[in-house]
Amino acid sequence: GAGVSQSPSNKVTEKGKDVELRCDPISGHTALYWYRQSLGQGLEFLIYFQGNSAPDKSGLPSDRFSAERTGGSVSTLTIQRTQQEDSAVYLCASSLVGRVTDTQYFGPGTRLTVL
Amino acid sequence: GENVEQHPSTLSVQEGDSAVIKCTYSDSASNYFPWYKQELGKRPQLIIDIRSNVGEKKDQRIAVTLNKTAKHFSLHITETQPEDSAVYFCAGTNYGGSQGNLIFGKGTKLSVKP
Repeated sequence: GAGVSQSPSNKVTEKGKDVELRCDPISGHTALYWYRQSLGQGLEFLIYFQGNSAPDKSGLPSDRFSAERTGGSVSTLTIQRTQQEDSAVYLCASSLVGRVTDTQYFGPGTRLTVL
Repeated sequence: GENVEQHPSTLSVQEGDSAVIKCTYSDSASNYFPWYKQELGKRPQLIIDIRSNVGEKKDQRIAVTLNKTAKHFSLHITETQPEDSAVYFCAGTNYGGSQGNLIFGKGTKLSVKP
């Protein structure tokens, strides 16, 4: 079946602009995660959605970052007033029921470049 | 919250040799430790995992060991092959205020030279 998809694959923006990144999880997966992958910094947890529960936003680096998940499926990560340090690959992952022991299936990522 | 340190950041081995990557974690409540492999230009994929009630787990050429007392766990790859070249990420678990999420190390870039 179809895996996790993300769009756009690449995004170049100017400092100060807002950007929206989209994630389509695997159909039927109830949990969705966003990570940021900066050069040499590994996979930094940002936010986690599990079913209808309130999202775990503990990893968001600032109030410029927010995310929504509509209808328990598609998610959008929004970065407002982008800064150069926001440049990174943003990865989305989904898992079946959201237990921490569930395998996370990653999308291909969105490479964000802030000029 | 959980903090995961991973070493080394880069590792180069000859084909056929073994490779070992080590991780330490800070939270004694952490109880699940997966390893993900990310080949160049591709997405991370789970290759093996271990739970805190087990000391070692093997799957063909890869194995993971866990020392709960010392709070460290390691990935062992034997008889390395060029296709093992990738970045490997370890992770621990963080239960602070949620059902739990993974905290990843910064990755180890493994190069296997033919």
